[in-house]
Amino acid sequence: NAGVTQTPKFQVLKTGQSMTLQCAQDMNHEYMSWYRQDPGMGLRLIHYSVGAGITDQGEVPNGYNVSRSTTEDFPLRLLSAAPSQTSVYFCAIRAGYTDTQYFGPGTRLTVL
Amino acid sequence: AQSVTQLDSQVPVFEEAPVELRCNYSSSVSVYLFWYVQYPNQGLQLLLKYLSGSTLVESINGFEAEFNKSQTSFHLRKPSVHISDTAEYFCAVSTLGNEKLTFGTGTRLTIIP
Repeated sequence: NAGVTQTPKFQVLKTGQSMTLQCAQDMNHEYMSWYRQDPGMGLRLIHYSVGAGITDQGEVPNGYNVSRSTTEDFPLRLLSAAPSQTSVYFCAIRAGYTDTQYFGPGTRLTVL
Repeated sequence: AQSVTQLDSQVPVFEEAPVELRCNYSSSVSVYLFWYVQYPNQGLQLLLKYLSGSTLVESINGFEAEFNKSQTSFHLRKPSVHISDTAEYFCAVSTLGNEKLTFGTGTRLTIIP
């Protein structure tokens, strides 16, 4: 998984609860991103960061917050979980300037 | 903005038969193209990529893809599939200077013994 770790692997939430999905890397890559994977829809970009202190929105940012205080960590926050956020979440890093992104193992989130 | 189309959501193939998974893209600028594979209950792994140079790219496990600029395609092929190739395959595109990777909806390859 190219040095990308994600925790937890599985999580069940109730509607309205909050939680943070963790993503960490040990390769000092500047670019990190979050995707969600839903059946029949492929992967869609939620938020991304090109370095510490810099974040930007992707295709489906609503309901999610991110921050990047260090190069190593890029947490994804759900402030008030909704059933529509039931999905598998992947964190990715981009290695250097090759535009090749490598993905973490994923977090499977269920919101009841 | 770029987009990717994978027309086939499911492709069943007999073992040792050839397979082609289709991918077409849309972009107004030069692109980088990728195929990722997701084995059951696992994350995404990079299978192969086209950045520049030779339009035919190969993976270590026998897959190949050819970048065709005139047809805006990047189809994935393998001359003889194995049971272990059962997985979902995603085509993706990005552009120079654009950090965003856009994915297709995926093709589920099922190998029939």
